[in-house]
Amino acid sequence: GAVVSQHPSWVICKSGTSVKIECRSLDFQATTMFWYRQFPKQSLMLMATSNEGSKATYEQGVEKDKFLINHASLTLSTLTVTSAHPEDSSFYICSARSDRGQTDRNQPQHFGDGTRLSIL
Amino acid sequence: EDQVTQSPEALRLQEGESSSLNCSYTVSGLRGLFWYRQDPGKGPEFLFTLYSAGEEKEKERLKATLTKKESFLHITAPKPEDSATYLCAVQGRGSTLGRLYFGRGTQLTVWP
Repeated sequence: GAVVSQHPSWVICKSGTSVKIECRSLDFQATTMFWYRQFPKQSLMLMATSNEGSKATYEQGVEKDKFLINHASLTLSTLTVTSAHPEDSSFYICSARSDRGQTDRNQPQHFGDGTRLSIL
Repeated sequence: EDQVTQSPEALRLQEGESSSLNCSYTVSGLRGLFWYRQDPGKGPEFLFTLYSAGEEKEKERLKATLTKKESFLHITAPKPEDSATYLCAVQGRGSTLGRLYFGRGTQLTVWP
């Protein structure tokens, strides 16, 4: 259980293009989804949190116009990197968790397998 | 702000050589401490959640323990397939929507 699918797994594109990454919870309804960025040999850096029915909350220093997040449904969130540049190249990972029907709010986040983004 | 420090940064073990990874944390009211395993080029895989001091959880060769200031991940008789980066994360009472604070991880290499 608790499977999260992320697509695509890798993408290479030219500078200036926009790239969309999808994150789906396959066997549960995700009330909250998170987007992270990870640099080589570094830990996960939270970019934004999106809760069902509301706009995403971005971490300090993350440009909301650059990284568009849409929590379209309880099973789908998308991250769009707009007008991508080489400095946006990174490993992007999504996670999802659910509080539905749970009395224990300390449910873990379940992660997708990440998207390797390379901007030329 | 909630903080997590993991040590060592890297650990090399021979197959069968037991050891422990450390996760020290500072949090305003712990709601949960989480251990994850991350393989290269993959997302983290959930291992354990610990909620209160004194709690222990086991899974195969792994055992996680928790005190008021730190958690240990004990690896008994490791095998090469246990090689991965192990991440520790905490959720404090001030965390909204289950936000986690991650450590930088311990990169474990087990050689035959």
